[in-house]
Amino acid sequence: EVQLLESGGGLVQPGGSLRLSCAASGFMFSSYTMAWVRQAPGKGLEWVSSIVDHGGSTFYADPVKGRFTISRDNSKNTLCLQMNSLRAEDTAVYYCAKPTMPTKSYFDSWGQGTLVTVSS
Amino acid sequence: EIVLTQSPATLSLSPGERATLSCRASQSVSISLAWYQQKPGQAPRLLIYDASSRATGIPDRFSGSGSGTDFALTISSLEPEDFAVYYCQQRYNWPLTFGQGTRLDIK
Repeated sequence: EVQLLESGGGLVQPGGSLRLSCAASGFMFSSYTMAWVRQAPGKGLEWVSSIVDHGGSTFYADPVKGRFTISRDNSKNTLCLQMNSLRAEDTAVYYCAKPTMPTKSYFDSWGQGTLVTVSS
Repeated sequence: EIVLTQSPATLSLSPGERATLSCRASQSVSISLAWYQQKPGQAPRLLIYDASSRATGIPDRFSGSGSGTDFALTISSLEPEDFAVYYCQQRYNWPLTFGQGTRLDIK
């Protein structure tokens, strides 16, 4: 059974940093392009970032480019999102998402989400 | 960036009725489009990928159609558990983008 378990969310002041982690199990993690997707309170889904299987290529949404860094450790089946220079508009539930096929970014497995709140 | 526009924003129907949700892309995405269902407090659930392929375990009352810029999700006969928010998503180009969602309400 596929499991994705996010951690690292919390309350942070504007301009601060947080590091999210996603522990993956139940599938060949090292073969999949993984992603982070967020959802602001009461709003729709927004793709944040993706990283290919070997970690050599990364992709970011414009609102987070230059502030967020996605990474992975295939030896530990872990996906990470380093978030710097956080803004109020980054407040959201952050989901780790696995695609249905290794390189096709349609997401058939999601974590439970971790809430990031950016507020003073 | 490819913008996905979903319509209507809200759809009010009764159980047993047929629902048709629309997603229009700002440029062609071929068939690289998915549909998700999301219920309050839950993560999204993949329903349809590649415009018309049902994901594993999805009932056959859900069907997808379209290509290029115009897509539809059809629920042939609404069950009580189908009332939720539905999103489309394209993977044709980076950045990946989602539509703003259609809320399907019980009438």
